[in-house]
Amino acid sequence: QKEVEQDPGPLSVPEGAIVSLNCTYSNSAFQYFMWYRQYSRKGPELLMYTYSSGNKEDGRFTAQVDKSSKYISLFIRDSQPSDSATYLCAMSLNYGQNFVFGPGTRLSVLP
Amino acid sequence: EAQVTQNPRYLITVTGKKLTVTCSQNMNHEYMSWYRQDPGLGLRQIYYSMNVEVTDKGDVPEGYKVSRKEKRNFPLILESPSPNQTSLYFCASSFLSRTEAFFGQGTRLTVV
Repeated sequence: QKEVEQDPGPLSVPEGAIVSLNCTYSNSAFQYFMWYRQYSRKGPELLMYTYSSGNKEDGRFTAQVDKSSKYISLFIRDSQPSDSATYLCAMSLNYGQNFVFGPGTRLSVLP
Repeated sequence: EAQVTQNPRYLITVTGKKLTVTCSQNMNHEYMSWYRQDPGLGLRQIYYSMNVEVTDKGDVPEGYKVSRKEKRNFPLILESPSPNQTSLYFCASSFLSRTEAFFGQGTRLTVV
């Protein structure tokens, strides 16, 4: 079993749809949970991070962490074509180091 | 502009010919790391460094070397590249006190 699993997609949705992206993980010691967005031919960029369990909202994006289920989610409301990218979940035991990444979900938002 | 700079962006080489991919950051980050990204496998950590002269193996270190002689630079060395090292490589850096890692633009390496 991989340490972090993620639906690979690709996922295609119409513009304006609500998108749900998910990851599961096996190491219950992870404390920090992040979502990165990677556009084609670019390096990943941090979208959101959450410490331990709970929800965090930033504009159209909401990150959820359920440590009891070892499950994290990213919701995108009112999705836009500019959201088309690969979304990578990441987690770590310690602040700022040794991030473990999921394989990524490729999202296409169709106009 | 705050950034992580990798060079070269694209490289095609032959098996066994030593090569170095450079990485430099201008944000005074303590932590630097190298990842390779392969389809279906995501980003896997090769080596990381907590500070100058402090390096350690990640999940897939075989066939790679690194050094950290200066805080800003963290080169990745392939002493004898093989075709299974064909991949997309990313350098990343971060403060140890924060969660955000900054990534370079990537180096597409092909070993024939």
